[in-house]
Amino acid sequence: EIVMTQSPATLSVSPGERATLSCRASQNVGSRLAWYQQKPGQAPRLLIFDTSNRATGVAARFSGSASGTEFTLTISSLQPEDFAVYYCQQYNDWPPQHTFGQGTKLEIK
Amino acid sequence: QVQLVQSGAEVKKPGASVKVSCKASGYTFTTYYIHWVRLAPGQGLDWVGCINPASGGTNYAHKFQGRVTMTSDTSVTTAYMDLSSLRSDDTAMFYCATSVLPRTHFDYWGQGTQVTVSS
Repeated sequence: EIVMTQSPATLSVSPGERATLSCRASQNVGSRLAWYQQKPGQAPRLLIFDTSNRATGVAARFSGSASGTEFTLTISSLQPEDFAVYYCQQYNDWPPQHTFGQGTKLEIK
Repeated sequence: QVQLVQSGAEVKKPGASVKVSCKASGYTFTTYYIHWVRLAPGQGLDWVGCINPASGGTNYAHKFQGRVTMTSDTSVTTAYMDLSSLRSDDTAMFYCATSVLPRTHFDYWGQGTQVTVSS
């Protein structure tokens, strides 16, 4: 099973500042990685797919990138509505065995 | 617009089974795979498995194999997840979600169904 490791577990950032969230895959997943945002009491919401493609309606301040098996979600200037939990997901395994990271909680500093 | 509406909260005893439904609308039911994802308190997201409503074919996560059965009914555009031998660590929110292919991201999500396992 491909293990996804997110860091840090909690990230404290002030509004207007930049946030960088990391996700490492235990083996190669190519570009088959997505990021989701989840707020309390809500379902996860797709932000980024295939490493760097923003989903429909997602603000341009969200961007995704990768270097090998290290993936990064960057939020360029944090807005109040961005404080949430973020999960990465790999979908490279065949037959499908999707795995998620444990999540990074982005909180207001 | 695509909507996934899940059945209501359930309370079950350890060892029992639970069946959760996911009613789809706003698209052709057989064109999207439906996945199920578990979110337990203090834990991350756990993929349970997926079903292709067009064929009924399924893929299950190794950790749930033997305990989970996924089905779908095209006549009512609804997918179902049946989880048996419930344990306390199955106390969680279960979500259904769609994808165009079995090995891609999840575009749309249901609102979630709380399952509580308690004696």
